[in-house]
Order: sequence, then C-alpha cells, then structure tokens
Amino acid sequence: LAKTTQPISMDSYEGQEVNITCSHNNIATNDYITWYQQFPSQGPRFIIQGYKTKVTNEVASLFIPADRKSSTLSLPRVSLSDTAVYYCLVGAKDPMDSSYKLIFGSGTRLLVRP
Amino acid sequence: DAEITQSPRHKITETGRQVTLACHQTWNHNNMFWYRQDLGHGLRLIHYSYGVQDTNKGEVSDGYSVSRSNTEDLPLTLESAASSQTSVYFCASSRDMSSYEQYFGPGTRLTVT
Repeated sequence: LAKTTQPISMDSYEGQEVNITCSHNNIATNDYITWYQQFPSQGPRFIIQGYKTKVTNEVASLFIPADRKSSTLSLPRVSLSDTAVYYCLVGAKDPMDSSYKLIFGSGTRLLVRP
Repeated sequence: DAEITQSPRHKITETGRQVTLACHQTWNHNNMFWYRQDLGHGLRLIHYSYGVQDTNKGEVSDGYSVSRSNTEDLPLTLESAASSQTSVYFCASSRDMSSYEQYFGPGTRLTVT
C-alpha cells in the first residue's frame, strides 16, 4: 500500500510561490494523487487531483513525474489566508481483499508570513 | 446548496456508553466515509460505504460500526466508548471511488471521560 511522506512544516512569505512535495514510493497503477487543505476547526477541503504529468486549476498546480513516486503541490503567490495544513492523499486498493485504504499523509503545516 | 452536516458538533460521554454520531449529505453521493483525526496522525479512515446497504471497514474500524439505510445518512456508532476514542471525527462523501474529491463535514469533537 502506498504510504505518503511530507515535510512537517514550511514557512513562506506573502507573494511567494510555495512547493510542497509528497513522496509515495509504492503508488499503484490505478491510484490518483489528491491534495487537501485544512484550516483549524474545519474539515479538509479538496484542492487538486491528478494522475500523471501536470494539472492546473484556479488555485494550484500539481506536478507528477513519470515514475509517479512523488508529487508536488505548487501554490502561486501565497497570501496569509493560505496558512493551513496541506495533506497529500493517495488512493489505494488492497490487492489482498480489494478493499480501499485511503492513505492521508501526516500533513504539511504551511505558515505564510507578511 | 448541497452540503454535508454532522451532529453533534461537540460531545462528552463516559467510558462504556454507546455513542452515535450523525452525518447527513445532500450531494446525493453514493460514497460516504468516516475519519478520525488525532494530533500527529493526520486523518485515518474508520469505515466507508459505496451505497445503501453497503459498508466496509477502514484502517481503524475496531470499536466502531456504521449502517447505511439511505443515500443521505451514514451514522457512526461507538458501541462502548473508550478514552482512546477521544478524537475529532469527520464525515465525507464523494461522487465515485475513481475520484478522491471528497467533501468533508465540519467535524464532531468527541471526548470520552
């Protein structure tokens, strides 16, 4: 099953681009990579999802190399309101019993300073 | 607007009592999930459901049960609450299992004394 590893924390300043990398060495062929954002006392909120190469939406980009063993969430020009915890999620289907085990990473705490 | 709600938002209970946490979604999603979130552990999957009458165990299902009698609701029951089950519980739903775009509820903070 794909286990994910992320940096525990990152600091940035307003207006900078922030890149958060997630490692998932055992990602399966059919797994998607999804990123969530979570503010204190709230449920996680979907940011972006991808399978390979690059995906971009109105808030972020997701870069996935050809081997898919890692992924990078890119937040352009961050603001103070981007201070949050960011989670990498890899969907995994257990080959033993076909059950789904959705693996959230431990999260990266991003602090954006003025 | 479609939404997902959880109740209660806060609950304090005693060890050994049965507790049920409610989750209701109006997205008409087939898939629903329960997670717990503890400091240092991120989110861990407790149970999930692909649809009515379907339930499946997640990573940390011991001591928890769910039932799915309709599309909108997936209540989570702690059969005999333990202090180790003190946590924040999140319910989520998604349209299908090929996409992991899940919509999360606001959470229920449960304290077992």
